[in-house]
Order: sequence, then structure tokens, then C-alpha cells
Amino acid sequence: DTAVSQTPKYLVTQMGNDKSIKCEQNLGHDTMYWYKQDSKKFLKIMFSYNNKELIINETVPNRFSPKSPDKAHLNLHINSLELGDSAVYFCASSRRAAQGRETQYFGPGTRLLVL
Amino acid sequence: QQQVKQSPQSLIVQKGGISIINCAYENTAFDYFPWYQQFPGKGPALLIAIRPDVSEKKEGRFTISFNKSAKQFSLHIMDSQPGDSATYFCAASKARDDKIIFGKGTRLHILP
Repeated sequence: DTAVSQTPKYLVTQMGNDKSIKCEQNLGHDTMYWYKQDSKKFLKIMFSYNNKELIINETVPNRFSPKSPDKAHLNLHINSLELGDSAVYFCASSRRAAQGRETQYFGPGTRLLVL
Repeated sequence: QQQVKQSPQSLIVQKGGISIINCAYENTAFDYFPWYQQFPGKGPALLIAIRPDVSEKKEGRFTISFNKSAKQFSLHIMDSQPGDSATYFCAASKARDDKIIFGKGTRLHILP
């Protein structure tokens, strides 16, 4: 009954490879996000999708491409991985309410290490 | 340009003491101020949140104090316990906005 789940939990790969991270939420939320957390714990939003439509696209290299096949899923594909991509990637979801945005629920994170 | 400034970066408090983490924001359009708690190896989770129509919100040992004129808000943890050791993030957003702006986090360690 996990609310926001991510796979894989750990990802170790060589520089230059292409990899994907998957995220699923079973909360019935309409908005999903990808965040990057660096070694200093700084949380930076990367993308947000609302009802499968891209609504936030921060300054992220175009090697990163999100895909939302449906409201419950948001995947992140990364091409030509670089050392600087090593970080923890969090998926989150939330719902729009009449009074505004509700709480964001975060997944457990995917720890990416690029060698 | 950092829209939400958080301090201190790290904090050590004795068990039973009061932990205080401060945040300041710049955008007066922000109207929702949550605090997230993150344990090692886990994702952040909402701890407590406040809207600017009140100056204080308390939930158990956790209290948010909000000063609208100073554009500052703080988290107070009373009777701090070792289990409170975690990273705490303040954040801010606008009601109709999908984006939350996070502070840089405070690593709190409670000494047993």
C-alpha cells in the first residue's frame, strides 16, 4: 500500500550510459514531480506534470526527459550520464484543491551513482 | 537568487532542549509555508504547515511561528528527542502554484 513508489532504489552505472527511473503513485493525485537532491541535501525541482501535461520545466539539461504515460506514473530518462548526475532523485505527487495546492508526498528516492 | 533562506545549516541540541530553525522569504505572494522532515535514506515528509493568516501553529511538540511583516517563520521543537534527529526543510509556495520553493535544509542532531 505504498503511496509513492520508485524503482530502482539504487542505480550504479558508467558515464555515458542511458538509464531510466520509474515512479508510480496510488494516491489519486493529479500532479507529479521529479526532484534532485545533491550531496549537500539541497532539494531542487526538475519537472512537474499535471494530468500528463508538463507544467514545470526548470533549467535542466535536455539529457533529462520526463514521460508521463498516465496520471499515476512519471518516469525520468537520462541520456549520456555524467559524473555530476550522481544524486538522489525523488518523485513526489500532490493534488490541486479549491483552496490551493495540497501536501506533496515524496517517494523513497533513487540513489544514482555515475562512475 | 534564493527565495527561501534557512538557518542554521546544522544544529546540535541536548535531549529535552528546544530546537529552533529559522527561515526568511522574499516573495510576498507566498501564502503557504510547510516544513518537511527527512530521515536518512527516506524521502521528505510533511511535518507541519502554516498559512499567513495566523501567527502560530502548534502540533504536539512542533510549533511554527510566523512573522508576516518581517517575512520570517521558524520551527520550534520542544522537548527535543533523539528520534527528532533528521534534516528539516522549510518551504514556501503560492496557493495556485504547483511549485514549492525549499530552503537548503538544517541537519538537526539531538544528543541522547
